[in-house]
Amino acid sequence: NAGVTQTPKFRILKIGQSMTLQCAQDMNHNYMYWYRQDPGMGLKLIYYSVGAGITDKGEVPNGYNVSRSTTEDFPLRLELAAPSQTSVYFCASSKDRRTSTDTQYFGPGTRLTVL
Amino acid sequence: GENVEQHPSTLSVQEGDSAVIKCTYSDSASNYFPWYKQELGKGPQLIIDIRSNVGEKKDQRIAVTLNKTAKHFSLHITETQPEDSAVYFCAARGIAGNMLTFGGGTRLMVKP
Repeated sequence: NAGVTQTPKFRILKIGQSMTLQCAQDMNHNYMYWYRQDPGMGLKLIYYSVGAGITDKGEVPNGYNVSRSTTEDFPLRLELAAPSQTSVYFCASSKDRRTSTDTQYFGPGTRLTVL
Repeated sequence: GENVEQHPSTLSVQEGDSAVIKCTYSDSASNYFPWYKQELGKGPQLIIDIRSNVGEKKDQRIAVTLNKTAKHFSLHITETQPEDSAVYFCAARGIAGNMLTFGGGTRLMVKP
């Protein structure tokens, strides 16, 4: 299993541009998550999904959109990039929330800079 | 919502010494407390977790303790090695969904 994969690894955007961060998992996990990590800070939840077709907002959803058309993929969309969105973005997945299957597995991250 | 505070933000120890990182949480209904290790340029990786029905859990050189009354939990690393150097994050999960609230992280440096 490749686990959780993310593309691209790095990206520089100009203010106002849009882009999609890709996330895929091959573990047949139901739950998927997007976090952002600002320098020297912990991770903050942007959006999450409990299954295909179901998404919900996390702590910091403004400026982002998500979709979940398949179990495997959970892309994150930035429509109008702003400097405040400069961060490292991590995608994660878990089977569900039951004991022994609720561990969240993280991808390697996408480092985004908005200039 | 849940709020998790983590201390210290940086910790430097000599190889072979012990390291302790502490976290407090605000939601008394939280029932799951994982610890993640993040190496430079990589995503966080789970190293140990504890649930609210247990007071302590050990895995080789790593242990976690939980005090539900005081709403705090701690990570203990014994016999530290240079490869333990990383950023460590604690997290807490409330009763709804599987959403984790993370602490701010601790940068551990183990000096050889």
